[in-house]
Amino acid sequence: DAKTTQPPSMDCAEGRAANLPCNHSTISGNEYVYWYRQIHSQGPQYIIHGLKNNETNEMASLIITEDRKSSTLILPHATLRDTAVYYCIVRGTGGGNKLTFGTGTQLKVEL
Amino acid sequence: EAEVAQSPRYKITEKSQAVAFWCDPISGHATLYWYRQILGQGPELLVQFQDESVVDDSQLPKDRFSAERLKGVDSTLKIQPAELGDSAMYLCASSLGQLNTEAFFGQGTRLTVV
Repeated sequence: DAKTTQPPSMDCAEGRAANLPCNHSTISGNEYVYWYRQIHSQGPQYIIHGLKNNETNEMASLIITEDRKSSTLILPHATLRDTAVYYCIVRGTGGGNKLTFGTGTQLKVEL
Repeated sequence: EAEVAQSPRYKITEKSQAVAFWCDPISGHATLYWYRQILGQGPELLVQFQDESVVDDSQLPKDRFSAERLKGVDSTLKIQPAELGDSAMYLCASSLGQLNTEAFFGQGTRLTVV
């Protein structure tokens, strides 16, 4: 599976949009981009995933560049409860569809 | 809403003792994963099951760790003997198995080896 690169930490003001970048320049054509987050001492929580097109659900939006080498997770109106580690994962058929986590981005939402 | 159940939530054990963790995946989920997460790091896959068969256990320390999913439903992860370095969060996840379907995680078991 392709490796991902994320900034180690980001800050965001409450009520503002949080834009979390992810680089996955070696992604293959059949690999999906998944985003999870992990609030302290809890299990990872699924947020969203996509292949080529931009995706939106009740939690977030996922913007994937046309060349698929990078993506951005957007939390449109961040709240204090969105403070967590956010993991960008590229998931492919190699290795049985497993999710390989990196070190993620620690997002801190502040008043 | 269906959840992945794990027990116990916390476990303290002495080194050289045996310890076991249990996971009950979401009903109908054929794929089950066990991850280990050391403080400050991302989860690391230990073993992956497809039904009752092991698909990937390349990162499982087989001299002391074992995992089973006898009827393709719930699963047990065992450590014997436990070492100080095994202190970590042990996470279980399950999914339908297709590439385009998400995996759901349990709350984990926090193991402390003293």
